[in-house]
Amino acid sequence: GENVEQHPSTLSVQEGDSAVIKCTYSDSASNYFPWYKQELGKRPQLIIDIRSNVGEKKDQRIAVTLNKTAKHFSLHITETQPEDSAVYFCAASRGASGSARQLTFGSGTQLTVLP
Amino acid sequence: KAGVTQTPRYLIKTRGQQVTLSCSPISGHRSVSWYQQTPGQGLQFLFEYFSETQRNKGNFPGRFSGRQFSNSRSEMNVSTLELGDSALYLCASSFIRSGTSGSSSYEQYFGPGTRLTVT
Repeated sequence: GENVEQHPSTLSVQEGDSAVIKCTYSDSASNYFPWYKQELGKRPQLIIDIRSNVGEKKDQRIAVTLNKTAKHFSLHITETQPEDSAVYFCAASRGASGSARQLTFGSGTQLTVLP
Repeated sequence: KAGVTQTPRYLIKTRGQQVTLSCSPISGHRSVSWYQQTPGQGLQFLFEYFSETQRNKGNFPGRFSGRQFSNSRSEMNVSTLELGDSALYLCASSFIRSGTSGSSSYEQYFGPGTRLTVT
């Protein structure tokens, strides 16, 4: 089955700096890669996702890049703010049909933005 | 649209008991997936239901089961509870969207979770 590894497990940055979280996956058939943000005591929230036919996607201060050849994808947060502090999870799945819909999650990154 | 809802939000049970958790998906979503979240194991997939049928199952013992009703609401049941079953149980509501060039995605939106404590 799919295996997703996520690094680093903890990340501290100064407010205004950039943060990068990296994930690798094992199943070359995976083609959908979402990122979730989970604040303490709250539900995981989908913040951005990317499909395998796209190399990069941006949404304001957040961007995700995908390297299919190397089987890794990354989350980039620019101009970090204290409210970005949370646990971030990457995930992978093989798509939308049948048993492919299962999401396999990375172990999470605790991001702390220091004021 | 209203988001995914889960009931109850908190449960305390003793070993050997059974428990039933409920999830109501976003209106129009027909797929519901369940995940277990623990500090040690992270987010682990339990199973997925689509159109009242279990479509996919993770590596959990048979004590974990579920079902889905015709209105897409789903329930998850855990029998003979063990201490290790203490966790946050999350359900995710899903729809399928076709992308360009024949690609597709499977966006999942999570409910607030049910915090189960087994004593």
